Amino acid sequence: QQQVKQSPQSLIVQKGGISIINCAYENTAFDYFPWYQQFPGKGPALLIAIRPDVSEKKEGRFTISFNKSAKQFSLHIMDSQPGDSATYFCAAIYNQGGKLIFGQGTELSVKP
Amino acid sequence: SQTIHQWPATLVQPVGSPLSLECTVEGTSNPNLYWYRQAAGRGLQLLFYSVGIGQISSEVPQNLSASRPQDRQFILSSKKLLLSDSGFYLCAWSGWDRAPGNTIYFGEGSWLTVV
Repeated sequence: QQQVKQSPQSLIVQKGGISIINCAYENTAFDYFPWYQQFPGKGPALLIAIRPDVSEKKEGRFTISFNKSAKQFSLHIMDSQPGDSATYFCAAIYNQGGKLIFGQGTELSVKP
Repeated sequence: SQTIHQWPATLVQPVGSPLSLECTVEGTSNPNLYWYRQAAGRGLQLLFYSVGIGQISSEVPQNLSASRPQDRQFILSSKKLLLSDSGFYLCAWSGWDRAPGNTIYFGEGSWLTVV
């Protein structure tokens, strides 16, 4: 019940295209949903986050869409660039103790 | 601003040897502290978390232990390493309160190879 399921495992997108990564959760106690970006050999870095009372949040080329009734949320990367090539993790914060539950990760490769 | 430091960055240790990874956070007080492990294949596994000095919660029974001797210091240890302990270890912190937008921030990680 505390799992966060993420898909796809890997994604190849052409430069300028839209990258879409999807996540689903079961536990309705989650109250904060961050996305992390991780480059090889580095720690994950917070990219963008959303609360369940908001259906969409946009920061530059990155947009989170949130569907509370379906318990799903997704990351859209517009105008994808080779520099966006990284592993992306969705996550959910359990509302007691602040433990972060991660999805399995998506390895994004943006081809020039 | 808050910063998190983790060391050593890389470590090669023989099977059966001890381990000590250290993490410190600057610029905040009473943070929640975490140790994660990332094995080959990307998944992030929560190992330990701490809400205060001397308070450690273990998520997964294993060959490792954690300690928090000071408010902003978190240590991951093992008395005898196993081959399966190899991986990328990440320290992380979050604010002590659950204010909106209070999420978790990671250090740069420590690569451990047990040979």
